[in-house]
Amino acid sequence: KQEVTQIPAALSVPEGENLVLNCSFTDSAIYNLQWFRQDPGKGLTSLLLIQSSQREQTSGRLNASLDKSSGRSTLYIAASQPGDSATYLCAVNNNAGNMLTFGGGTRLMVKP
Amino acid sequence: NAGVTQTPKFQVLKTGQSMTLQCAQDMNHNSMYWYRQDPGMGLRLIYYSASEGTTDKGEVPNGYNVSRLNKREFSLRLESAAPSQTSVYFCASSLDRAYETQYFGPGTRLLVL
Repeated sequence: KQEVTQIPAALSVPEGENLVLNCSFTDSAIYNLQWFRQDPGKGLTSLLLIQSSQREQTSGRLNASLDKSSGRSTLYIAASQPGDSATYLCAVNNNAGNMLTFGGGTRLMVKP
Repeated sequence: NAGVTQTPKFQVLKTGQSMTLQCAQDMNHNSMYWYRQDPGMGLRLIYYSASEGTTDKGEVPNGYNVSRLNKREFSLRLESAAPSQTSVYFCASSLDRAYETQYFGPGTRLLVL
């Protein structure tokens, strides 16, 4: 059974820092990996989707990488801002196709 | 374009009561999903519908039923609510199966006493 782990569970940084969030998964037979953002009391917003054949995806200040063989993904946030404060979740899509397995999330706080 | 909408936003039930959570999407997506989110457990898939007319169990289907009413709407029913079903429920949709980006609704907070 696929298991997805995110470390750290919480992170607090001063504004302007570059930071890395980590995601690891136990079964490397994935179709893709997605990073989401969740604001308190809200639904999830998709940030980036990386196909299993890709190494990385970029959107603005966000860069996600994928190393399928080692079962790891990282989300890099450049020049963090207070508006980046949220919980970040990664999810993997197994080759069966219809199920996302989520990690527990990293709660990020960016202090002004 | 409202995306994915869910009703109600919040509900309190007594043990044994029944209710239906409603979900609708206006993006012409084929696939729809129901998740629950619990502290320390993350999001877990309850049921999904890969296309209109089909539904399948996810990771935690016990105690729930679903109906894909049409392409737009996917409802989740609790026939006899239990305190263990206290959770936040999210509906999501994607263009075609979980391969694609999933778009989430704002969630329904359910408290079962």
